[in-house]
Amino acid sequence: QKEVEQNSGPLSVPEGAIASLNCTYSDRVSQSFFWYRQYSGKSPELIMSIYSNGDKEDGRFTAQLNKASQYVSLLIRDSQPSDSATYLCAVSPYSGGGADGLTFGKGTHLIIQP
Amino acid sequence: EAGVTQSPTHLIKTRGQQATLRCSPISGHTSVYWYQQALGLGLQFLLWYDEGEERNRGNFPPRFSGRQFPNYSSELNVNALELEDSALYLCASSPDRNTEAFFGQGTRLTVV
Repeated sequence: QKEVEQNSGPLSVPEGAIASLNCTYSDRVSQSFFWYRQYSGKSPELIMSIYSNGDKEDGRFTAQLNKASQYVSLLIRDSQPSDSATYLCAVSPYSGGGADGLTFGKGTHLIIQP
Repeated sequence: EAGVTQSPTHLIKTRGQQATLRCSPISGHTSVYWYQQALGLGLQFLLWYDEGEERNRGNFPPRFSGRQFPNYSSELNVNALELEDSALYLCASSPDRNTEAFFGQGTRLTVV
């Protein structure tokens, strides 16, 4: 059974600080890793994808992948109240970015305090 | 450019009935994915269609089925509805299986 584990939170972070979200996965052959943001009552929105070990930066977001430790993280710098949402970690056994057979974690609820 | 559109937004059915959910992908996208988001369970992969064919399915019973039409739109059918089928059903599309997918707003199915 493939599993993706996330701390459900809520994770409370002051505005302007760095929010750190973590995810572990069980399937060692996982190839592709994604972070989605989901506002309450809305659909998931892809914010980061990462396919190889190391860091990937996009604006205020940095994704980190360590395949040996089966660990993925998302850092949000200069956190804004608009970043308050549930963040979903998703893992795929396939290379590339498609949504075929993604295993999602249950999400971490992030609250940015003004 | 229009995003992924799903209809209806909400659907209420009685246990034992059939539900049909529809999805129109982003123009130019040939891959369509269906996911179920039940309360407390997170998103679970249901089905993947590409070029009119079912390419992969998740761990769901056969009463969950669907199809993809020549215009790449897709339909998800759930037969013999059970109370546990109450969930948000999300459709996503991508240009192909190797490109990131975008989700629609979902259909909230309630089985009473």
